[in-house]
Amino acid sequence: SAVISQKPSRDICQRGTSLTIQCQVDSQVTMMFWYRQQPGQSLTLIATANQGSEATYESGFVIDKFPISRPNLTFSTLTVSNMSPEDSSIYLCSVPQGQDLGGYTFGSGTRLTVV
Amino acid sequence: QKEVEQNSGPLSVPEGAIASLNCTYSDRGSQSFFWYRQYSGKSPELIMFIYSNGDKEDGRFTAQLNKASQYVSLLIRDSQPSDSATYLCALKTNDYKLSFGAGTTVTVRA
Repeated sequence: SAVISQKPSRDICQRGTSLTIQCQVDSQVTMMFWYRQQPGQSLTLIATANQGSEATYESGFVIDKFPISRPNLTFSTLTVSNMSPEDSSIYLCSVPQGQDLGGYTFGSGTRLTVV
Repeated sequence: QKEVEQNSGPLSVPEGAIASLNCTYSDRGSQSFFWYRQYSGKSPELIMFIYSNGDKEDGRFTAQLNKASQYVSLLIRDSQPSDSATYLCALKTNDYKLSFGAGTTVTVRA
């Protein structure tokens, strides 16, 4: 299955600033997903990163706040913009493991704290 | 109604016992279902997936799927302290996204 390298692993940021999170996959994948996990909560899908087209955002998430890039089939970035303490979460990228009905692999996550 | 409902626990079991986790889902068209294990401070790790009615066994883990009743469960036999984690139920939607339940925190008492 695919191996994902995600960075940074953690960061502490000032409110009002932006942070860009990177995910590098060791194989080409059509779809890549970005999730948020707020403290003590489950995973919520932010958006689907599509190569060569705009990302598709879930309800409650907007491009201005979470711009996504997908320049090729092995790489994607998620930016958390104009951060507030409410953005403190773990952010994870995910890709399919391969089979159509198979599972998805997650990156190691980025633990973001906004102060 | 949330897409995936999971009994949020927490669940505490003695070492060697069976831990039973349950999930129900609302979309009858859902095809595949997953159980992820997440240790504190770590990312989710896939432990089982199932897409056919019935049981699927892998070591000490058994996933059960009943599409007519729209539930999926996970049994952990001979529970070990290393099984202490949060278990997340998920399904794959028609557009290939994963929808997660709230998670069940399991503690195995030595």
